[in-house]
Amino acid sequence: ELKVEQNPLFLSMQEGKNYTIYCNYSTTSDRLYWYRQDPGKSLESLFVLLSNGAVKQEGRLMASLDTKARLSTLHITAAVHDLSATYFCAVGLLTDSWGKLQFGAGTQVVVTP
Amino acid sequence: EAGVTQSPTHLIKTRGQQATLRCSPISGHTSVYWYQQALGLGLQFLLWYDEGEERNRGNFPPRFSGRQFPNYSSELNVNALELEDSALYLCASSSGLVNNEQFFGPGTRLTVL
Repeated sequence: ELKVEQNPLFLSMQEGKNYTIYCNYSTTSDRLYWYRQDPGKSLESLFVLLSNGAVKQEGRLMASLDTKARLSTLHITAAVHDLSATYFCAVGLLTDSWGKLQFGAGTQVVVTP
Repeated sequence: EAGVTQSPTHLIKTRGQQATLRCSPISGHTSVYWYQQALGLGLQFLLWYDEGEERNRGNFPPRFSGRQFPNYSSELNVNALELEDSALYLCASSSGLVNNEQFFGPGTRLTVL
């Protein structure tokens, strides 16, 4: 059974500093997705990582995928308040035709001055 | 372009009743997914419909069922409601292309009293 673990589960960030969220998964996969959820809202797609070594960047966020280590990281550069949200990683499997996503527990990020 | 829409926004039912939740995918998307986000349990995959057929099902009892209509919209039915069915139900859609990125709707908040 596929397990997806995120850490940390809670991250208190200071504005201007850099941080990393880790996403480990238990079964070989090369489909990794990152989503953001604001309180009381739905999920917003951030990144889709499709192969080993894939790196995607958008603004202060950068995501990467190492399929050999079964690890994805979401790096936040110079945190700002509007990055406060919960971040989820999700993994899809070929055996499920990529349709069934297994989500991590989420990392709640709070950015303070 | 309109995103995924869901109705109703909120639904209050009593134990033992039935609930029907509706989802309209992004135009051109043929796959619809349902997820449950319950407090303390995270995001769990419920069902996946594609071209009118059920493609995959999560670890939920048979009283959770659904269907997809010819226009690709979908319905999730929950029979014999239990208190623990209280959750945010999220619908997502995808085009089924290479990355199979899933785009989420705003959700239906189901409360069972």
